[in-house]
Amino acid sequence: KQEVTQIPAALSVPEGENLVLNCSFTDSAIYNLQWFRQDPGKGLTSLLLIQSSQREQTSGRLNASLDKSSGRSTLYIAASQPGDSATYLCAVEETSGSRLTFGEGTQLTVNP
Amino acid sequence: GAVVSQHPSWVICKSGTSVKIECRSLDFQATTMFWYRQFPKQSLMLMATSNEGSKATYEQGVEKDKFLINHASLTLSTLTVTSAHPEDSSFYICSARDAGTGYGYTFGSGTRLTVV
Repeated sequence: KQEVTQIPAALSVPEGENLVLNCSFTDSAIYNLQWFRQDPGKGLTSLLLIQSSQREQTSGRLNASLDKSSGRSTLYIAASQPGDSATYLCAVEETSGSRLTFGEGTQLTVNP
Repeated sequence: GAVVSQHPSWVICKSGTSVKIECRSLDFQATTMFWYRQFPKQSLMLMATSNEGSKATYEQGVEKDKFLINHASLTLSTLTVTSAHPEDSSFYICSARDAGTGYGYTFGSGTRLTVV
């Protein structure tokens, strides 16, 4: 059974700092991995999707990497801003169209 | 991009009544949609997989008679919480994917259900 773990559970940083969120999964046979952002009381917003054949994806200040063989992904946020404060979730899709297995999330607070 | 609309965003109902939540894919067709439940400070828990034109597949421990799922068209899935009780109060979110684009899953904005 696939298990996804995110470290740390919570993170508080001053504005402008670069930071890394970690995600690990137990079964490396995945189809793709997706990073989401969730604001309190809201749904999930997709940030980045990394297909199993890819090593990384970038969008603006965000960069996500994937090391399938070691079962790890990282989300790098450059020059953090207070508006980045949210819960960040990673999820793996084991086969095309299958369910997503989520980590518990990292709650990020960026202080002005 | 793919958009999933969920309605209502919040609902308060009396114990014993039923509540229907709608999930629509606005600009794509979805043969499969997923329904999740989220408790405060916790991650998403998959409740069931909704399949267009056939019965939903429920996760272990989810009561199919309490959480009725109907996926009657390629753009609409509904979740009905029947005979709701306070312990059913939670945040419910649906998701789907536009298989034609290769993008990942898109989520609805969620429904906050409060049973009083």
